[in-house]
Amino acid sequence: DTAVSQTPKYLVTQMGNDKSIKCEQNLGHDTMYWYKQDSKKFLKIMFSYNNKELIINETVPNRFSPKSPDKAHLNLHINSLELGDSAVYFCASSHLGSGYGYTFGSGTRLTVV
Amino acid sequence: GENVEQHPSTLSVQEGDSAVIKCTYSDSASNYFPWYKQELGKGPQLIIDIRSNVGEKKDQRIAVTLNKTAKHFSLHITETQPEDSAVYFCAAVTGTASKLTFGTGTRLQVTL
Repeated sequence: DTAVSQTPKYLVTQMGNDKSIKCEQNLGHDTMYWYKQDSKKFLKIMFSYNNKELIINETVPNRFSPKSPDKAHLNLHINSLELGDSAVYFCASSHLGSGYGYTFGSGTRLTVV
Repeated sequence: GENVEQHPSTLSVQEGDSAVIKCTYSDSASNYFPWYKQELGKGPQLIIDIRSNVGEKKDQRIAVTLNKTAKHFSLHITETQPEDSAVYFCAAVTGTASKLTFGTGTRLQVTL
């Protein structure tokens, strides 16, 4: 059973397009996150939702819009894709407050051409 | 905000030797320190973690130590095996929003 699952695993798209990445967790966690891993492998948080409420919003272009329909799902929509958006995007989940059990999905490799 | 530094960036050891990766953090409010292993094409996987009220934790060949006063924590892998080869990340969790700040990663290569 996959604990944190993301789709799609790979996404190749042209500049200017709009795309979405979906994430689901079955761990019963109340908090979900999006992280971006750049070409140098550096991992940085983008957003966090707790029970459908946005609690972390790092300095991310407003072309990126997360959406959480319920505490088990967190999607990421990206408008007007740019070359610099190419990266691996990871979804994660945990229990709020403690951070224990912080679990990552397998990632979505986004390539903008 | 929190800043986590990690050294070395690459580490090559022979099979059977020990490997040590060191991290420092800046925010004294950080209270949970997980370590992740990332294999090629996969997401980070939690391998061991330590809370701020504990100085050391061991799980088979892996151990983590924490020095809160110096804001240092380290990962120790003994009797390394080729399957230990991966990128390892330290991290610190800060605040009620459970924000995870990662170190820059260490690429560990275990050679035969």
